[in-house]
Amino acid sequence: AQSVTQPDIHITVSEGASLELRCNYSYGATPYLFWYVQSPGQGLQLLLKYFSGDTLVQGIKGFEAEFKRSQSSFNLRKPSVHWSDAAEYFCAVGARLMEYGNKLVFGAGTILRVKS
Amino acid sequence: DAGVIQSPRHEVTEMGQEVTLRCKPISGHDYLFWYRQTMMRGLELLIYFNNNVPIDDSGMPEDRFSAKMPNASFSTLKIQPSEPRDSAVYFCASSQGSLGQYFGPGTRLTVL
Repeated sequence: AQSVTQPDIHITVSEGASLELRCNYSYGATPYLFWYVQSPGQGLQLLLKYFSGDTLVQGIKGFEAEFKRSQSSFNLRKPSVHWSDAAEYFCAVGARLMEYGNKLVFGAGTILRVKS
Repeated sequence: DAGVIQSPRHEVTEMGQEVTLRCKPISGHDYLFWYRQTMMRGLELLIYFNNNVPIDDSGMPEDRFSAKMPNASFSTLKIQPSEPRDSAVYFCASSQGSLGQYFGPGTRLTVL
């Protein structure tokens, strides 16, 4: 079964600083990987996704993520954080084989605080 | 392009009452998912449909919860009777295959 670990519950960065949010997954093959962002009182918004090909994936709002098979990781990065990036971020993994269903397994989330 | 639409956005009800949450998925999407989010338990998948057919309802907490999808553009999640512990934010999401789920804004349910 798939599992996702986001080791950091909270992260605080200064506005303008770089950001990296960690995500490790467990899956028997190469999974589908996603990052979502949730602002307070809002639904989850899809930031980016990895299916295959180039391991560096570009997303919306200036975010990118890199798939590293050897480390079973899919870390989210942004070179310069804006105050509006303060939110909760979720990493998720999905199965490639439809016989395992089309469910996503979500990490517990990382709350990002941005200080000015 | 309209996203996933959920109604109502907020619902306050008294214990024992029936609650119906509604969802309109993105047109052309063949999967629909219902989630519940609480501080204590995080994001939980309740049930999902493929082409209007329920595929996995193992996350539905108990018989008080039921979900239907009568057509490709509408789904309901019903709680009868409601209890205070059902208070949560309920999200609907839809996807085209496994290409990524798109979430609605959620319904905040408060059961008094």
